[in-house]
Parts: sequence; structure tokens; C-alpha cells
Amino acid sequence: NAGVTQTPKFRVLKTGQSMTLLCAQDMNHEYMYWYRQDPGMGLRLIHYSVGEGTTAKGEVPDGYNVSRLKKQNFLLGLESAAPSQTSVYFCASSRSGTQETQYFGPGTRLLVL
Amino acid sequence: GENVEQHPSTLSVQEGDSAVIKCTYSDSASNYFPWYKQELGKGPQLIIDIRSNVGEKKDQRIAVTLNKTAKHFSLHITETQPEDSAVYFCAASKGGSYIPTFGRGTSLIVHP
Repeated sequence: NAGVTQTPKFRVLKTGQSMTLLCAQDMNHEYMYWYRQDPGMGLRLIHYSVGEGTTAKGEVPDGYNVSRLKKQNFLLGLESAAPSQTSVYFCASSRSGTQETQYFGPGTRLLVL
Repeated sequence: GENVEQHPSTLSVQEGDSAVIKCTYSDSASNYFPWYKQELGKGPQLIIDIRSNVGEKKDQRIAVTLNKTAKHFSLHITETQPEDSAVYFCAASKGGSYIPTFGRGTSLIVHP
């Protein structure tokens, strides 16, 4: 099993450009999450999904959109990138949301110029 | 909502020493407390967890203790090794919540 994979690994964007980050998991997990990690800020939840076709806002959702059209995939979109969105983005999944281990992907490093 | 405070933000020890990282939480309903280790350039990975019906849990050189009354829990690493160098995150969640609340992380540096 590959676990949780993320593409791309690294991307440079110019302000105003758009992009989509892809997360895929092969563990048949119901719950999926997108976090951003910034120095000194820990992991902050952007959006999450409790099942195929569902999405919900996390702590810092502004400027991002998500979609969960297939159970194994969770997409994070930036419609108009801003320098404040420079960060490392982690996707995670869990079998269920309550008291379950989260399995994290390797991360996507995004630089917005 | 839940608030998790984690201390220290940086911890430097000599190889073979013990390391202790402490977290406090605010919501008395929280009942699941995982610890994640993040190595450089990788995603966090669960290393140990504890539920509120248990006061202590051990796994080889690592242990976690929980004090429900004081609402704090700690990670203990004994006989530290250079490969223990990483960022450690604590988290807290409760039944019915899909979202764990993470601490801000502790950077552990083990000097050979």
C-alpha cells in the first residue's frame, strides 16, 4: 500500500495564479483532511471531508476550495494564489473521524511569489 | 473550542538523556490524545496515543502520561538517540468530533 500520496511535491506560483493539489489514499478511509504548516504555527486545518461528496470548513478555509468526488481523492484548490499561502500543505486520512489515527502524506511545498 | 498548549517549543538534549514534552488541553470532554513525530521533510506519523481511561502507556523507550484532573499529558522519551531528533506534536480530540486539535509542536534535538 502506498498510503497517502500528494502531488506535486513542490510548486512555485505567481500571485494570482491558480492550482490544484491532489491527495490520494489507498486505505479506503472515510475521512480526509487538508492542513497547512507554517513555522511556529503547528498544523492548521483548512478543510476536511467525512465521506465521498462531502466537505467542511476547518480553521483557515479562506482562499481555498476542496472537492471529494471520489472516496480515495481529496483535492485542494487555490483560485488566486497570494504570498500568504506560501506554506507546506499536508493531506491526511483516517478510517473514521473519532479517536482514530491520522495518516499523513509527505507534503507539498508551495511558494507564491 | 478545544485549545492545546505545548511546551517547550525547542528542546535540546545530549544522547542518552531523557526528554519530556508537555501539553495542556482546555476541554474536559477530550478523551483521546495522540502524539505524532515529524522527521525533516516528511509528514507527521503517529508514535503513541492514550485514551482517557488510561493513566500511562509505554512502548519501548517512549511513554505517555495523562492527568485528567489537571488536563495535561506528557511524552517521555528515555535514552534518547540522534534519530529521535524531530518535531513532535501532541493532539487532543473527543468523541463525536472529527477534528483533533494539535499543539504547535516541539523541535527535539539530540546531540551525539
